[in-house]
Amino acid sequence: ILNVEQSPQSLHVQEGDSTNFTCSFPSSNFYALHWYRWETAKSPEALFVMTLNGDEKKKGRISATLNTKEGYSYLYIKGSQPEDSATYLCAFNSNYQLIWGAGTKLIIKP
Amino acid sequence: DTGVSQDPRHKITKRGQNVTFRCDPISEHNRLYWYRQTLGQGPEFLTYFQNEAQLEKSRLLSDRFSAERPKGSFSTLEIQRTEQGDSAMYLCASSASSTEAFFGQGTRLTVV
Repeated sequence: ILNVEQSPQSLHVQEGDSTNFTCSFPSSNFYALHWYRWETAKSPEALFVMTLNGDEKKKGRISATLNTKEGYSYLYIKGSQPEDSATYLCAFNSNYQLIWGAGTKLIIKP
Repeated sequence: DTGVSQDPRHKITKRGQNVTFRCDPISEHNRLYWYRQTLGQGPEFLTYFQNEAQLEKSRLLSDRFSAERPKGSFSTLEIQRTEQGDSAMYLCASSASSTEAFFGQGTRLTVV
């Protein structure tokens, strides 16, 4: 059974602080690792798709790294803002199927 | 509108009734996915289509669930003899090949 785990489950961060969280996934049959941002009452929004070991991707204050050999990815948010409050989901792409983690719920305190 | 659309957005039904949801994917996307999301959980895979072919169905899905994508465009998800445990958000997503998936707004089902 393929399993994707995210930690922590939830996180409270002071506005202006930087933070990061983890996605762990199987290290075999790897095709891609996706990060999504999911705000309440909206659909998940794609942040990054990462395919190569050592990949680093950046979008504004958000960046992600990938280690396919050990099966983990980190998502970093620099200088957190209230609008960053959301659930961050990762998904492991094995062939055609996306296998999802349960998400990290990020709450930014003003 | 070039996004994924789902209809209806909300559905309340009595236990034992059948319900059908519709998903219209982004037009050039050949892959279509159905997911279910319950409170506090990530999306749970239900089934997947490539064009009109249903290539995978979750083992977690009972025989009361069926999905179609007759012409490789829109898809329907039907739940027969609904149970209270079927109450969830049902999400549809589409993608081109193995790129990121784009999600619809979901259909929230409440079984009373």
